[in-house]
Amino acid sequence: DAMVIQNPRYQVTQFGKPVTLSCSQTLNHNVMYWYQQKSSQAPKLLFHYYDKDFNNEADTPDNFQSRRPNTSFCFLDIRSPGLGDAAMYLCATSSNRGSNEKLFFGSGTQLSVL
Amino acid sequence: GQNIDQPTEMTATEGAIVQINCTYQTSGFNGLFWYQQHAGEAPTFLSYNVLDGLEEKGRFSSFLSRSKGYSYLLLKELQMKDSASYLCAPLDSNYQLIWGAGTKLIIKP
Repeated sequence: DAMVIQNPRYQVTQFGKPVTLSCSQTLNHNVMYWYQQKSSQAPKLLFHYYDKDFNNEADTPDNFQSRRPNTSFCFLDIRSPGLGDAAMYLCATSSNRGSNEKLFFGSGTQLSVL
Repeated sequence: GQNIDQPTEMTATEGAIVQINCTYQTSGFNGLFWYQQHAGEAPTFLSYNVLDGLEEKGRFSSFLSRSKGYSYLLLKELQMKDSASYLCAPLDSNYQLIWGAGTKLIIKP
């Protein structure tokens, strides 16, 4: 089945130790998104790629970076994780940007920072 | 500014009907999505409305009034597996989703 896959499902890192989260998709969608979601809060958009065009949200900290080496893969790099970065990180895709383009989410990576 | 308002938590009984309301203020409007999110899992798509009125899809229906900035999700014949958070998310003029914090729905036997 075509899908969005995130690895790992759970990630534990140490304060200040760089960590990379990965996402892959077999849907051949043009748009890929990274969201951060903390408990009982709305998902917060960090970045999105429309094909190779990178879009950084204005309030995304510099500590967060992203790479999309090809259509299928997208990575989220957290250069120096702090305790406040502990959250669920959700990767999502959509076929294009537009009115009725629903998002397909991966299962998420729950990040813990010790 | 952009704002989504939905109740934090609701409780309903198995087999009953529940309506989850959402009011929104966005810069422009290109439709509204409802997503379901079980605890510890990713959101899954439920519905999309862009025109006024009611869209029915099985046990779930979604209503939109653009002039009032209002939507609701109606869940019928509630089942225990419907216990989840329900997120309202309108699309603004830039086709950006503006997410609400979600309504946690608790179903009791």
